[in-house]
Amino acid sequence: DTEVTQTPKHLVMGMTNKKSLKCEQHMGHRAMYWYKQKAKKPPELMFVYSYEKLSINESVPSRFSPECPNSSLLNLHLHALQPEDSALYLCASSQPTANTEAFFGQGTRLTVV
Amino acid sequence: SQQGEEDPQALSIQEGENATMNCSYKTSINNLQWYRQNSGRGLVHLILIRSNEREKHSGRLRVTLDTSKKSSSLLITASRAADTASYFCATDAIKTIFGAGTRLFVKA
Repeated sequence: DTEVTQTPKHLVMGMTNKKSLKCEQHMGHRAMYWYKQKAKKPPELMFVYSYEKLSINESVPSRFSPECPNSSLLNLHLHALQPEDSALYLCASSQPTANTEAFFGQGTRLTVV
Repeated sequence: SQQGEEDPQALSIQEGENATMNCSYKTSINNLQWYRQNSGRGLVHLILIRSNEREKHSGRLRVTLDTSKKSSSLLITASRAADTASYFCATDAIKTIFGAGTRLFVKA
């Protein structure tokens, strides 16, 4: 199984809502990532988890809250988002070593209204 | 920033032609990777070249790396309409930083 599964595929939420994005992989990868991608732009790194511990937070606003409940799952909790947070949110996983490829999910298309 | 920068930003070619995309980066790297993205969906890993390698092939893909110039190129030979996508270079793995990308259009 070389898939990274993200749910939901699409999400529309109001600025006062609380929602969560989910990501799952069963490749035994111990590094997992969240990226944000705006239209016609490259993915921007948000968070990195290594061995289920948050290792990198790229100065992401606190309205985005990541969680890694176990080695296969990665969540991104969303609260009080702004319309400018609308984007494609991508999850990826890899081995936590250099010279290894990352596997990406198909993303969640988030629209904040 | 280690961000790679690709050029050209967009490339339009006929099916059967070769497509070359270039990437430059700013700091030392462990490796450089190329990814493809179709229609704003997930990224697909194409090839990884380590900092001590100069050239690598995979099917119709040829990647070169010049660490002295901090640059890499991706060559797609005998392009197909299905190669239409955005292509990104990315440096390292644990904290992968993506370049701006090249949008490739292959006309049938």
